[in-house]
Amino acid sequence: EAGVVQSPRYKIIEKKQPVAFWCNPISGHNTLYWYLQNLGQGPELLIRYENEEAVDDSQLPKDRFSAERLKGVDSTLKIQPAELGDSAVYLCASSLGYRGLTDTQYFGPGTRLTVL
Amino acid sequence: SQQGEEDPQALSIQEGENATMNCSYKTSINNLQWYRQNSGRGLVHLILIRSNEREKHSGRLRVTLDTSKKSSSLLITASRAADTASYFCATDAGGNNRLAFGKGNQVVVIP
Repeated sequence: EAGVVQSPRYKIIEKKQPVAFWCNPISGHNTLYWYLQNLGQGPELLIRYENEEAVDDSQLPKDRFSAERLKGVDSTLKIQPAELGDSAVYLCASSLGYRGLTDTQYFGPGTRLTVL
Repeated sequence: SQQGEEDPQALSIQEGENATMNCSYKTSINNLQWYRQNSGRGLVHLILIRSNEREKHSGRLRVTLDTSKKSSSLLITASRAADTASYFCATDAGGNNRLAFGKGNQVVVIP
């Protein structure tokens, strides 16, 4: 079974440029998560989707970050414009998604973003 | 915001020894989970313990939970070089998959 796929694995851009990350969750997983992980820290949730609905985006800096999951499968996270402080690893995770119940999250390898 | 805080933050042991790490958290939880992250790779779920459980085992892993002290411990027995990784505890306060991760424990197992 294929795991969570993310691309690109690495991205280097100059500040003020836009950048986009793509995630394809495990087949059949209804819930998709985007996390940000700074060096030496644990992941922090940015947004959580149940199917195509963003059910928790309270931590997403909406002035420059946006995300979409149009068909309830793969998802894109965008930053426009990028700032130096956005340099981090962006992780995508998915889970089967039983509303109101806990289930295991499966993480992708992440995209390491460097903003110069 | 980070909920859990792992202790010690860095641990170096010889292969075959046991590794113990602790996690403390601040608010009431529905469950607590432990994840492992190898260098340059994604996180892998290890074990989940619910608030009404006190101890759980999975292979060489043993997790305890003390809700009165708001703390959990992860024990890895008979460590192997492949156990070298960062270990994170993550709390789920509402039982709705909204995880709050700690800063992680860096464990190095020397062959």
